[in-house]
Amino acid sequence: SAVISQKPSRDICQRGTSLTIQCQVDSQVTMMFWYRQQPGQSLTLIATANQGSEATYESGFVIDKFPISRPNLTFSTLTVSNMSPEDSSIYLCSARTSGYTDTQYFGPGTRLTVL
Amino acid sequence: GDSVTQMEGPVTLSEEAFLTINCTYTATGYPSLFWYVQYPGEGLQLLLKATKADDKGSNKGFEATYRKETTSFHLEKGSVQVSDSAVYFCALSDHRGTGANNLFFGTGTRLTVIP
Repeated sequence: SAVISQKPSRDICQRGTSLTIQCQVDSQVTMMFWYRQQPGQSLTLIATANQGSEATYESGFVIDKFPISRPNLTFSTLTVSNMSPEDSSIYLCSARTSGYTDTQYFGPGTRLTVL
Repeated sequence: GDSVTQMEGPVTLSEEAFLTINCTYTATGYPSLFWYVQYPGEGLQLLLKATKADDKGSNKGFEATYRKETTSFHLEKGSVQVSDSAVYFCALSDHRGTGANNLFFGTGTRLTVIP
């Protein structure tokens, strides 16, 4: 398994600003993922972050809006850029511990409110 | 494409009642199936998983059996407790040719257990 922490746990931001969310894993992992959970909804995958390569974005999400970094095997960041109230969501980081398992472990999430 | 259909909530049960939350899936190939649980104010926790047909996942008194013939993975518990109150997500993991995998989540079912 993996223990995942996220910072900040919550934030309230003004429209037009950007927020960077950090995700730290307690062990080296092959793949990290960023999800969005809008109020009362299920989870939607934003992108997959691989170390040493650019993130792979899902349909409807673009790098300019959600730039992602993955500088090493235990850390990733997601930036929510030029925020609007529609970006108010919980953002969750997850990780897959090896290429031999498809189980993903999740962080506690970052609750973002955009005014 | 791959998808998960989950029983609509909310579900309210008395303590010690029997719980079933239905989940069916559509997938090409042979996905792995998961149940995740989200307690109030927390991130997602893996509850149980099954990786092939007829496998039974179990944890904390919860069980689910991977039924390929009915494409189902229903969650059951014989006697629920107040502490089981949470949102339950059914999910499947596809297996893309690149070796990556994506989790497709159901919409979640909110369970409330009353004393």
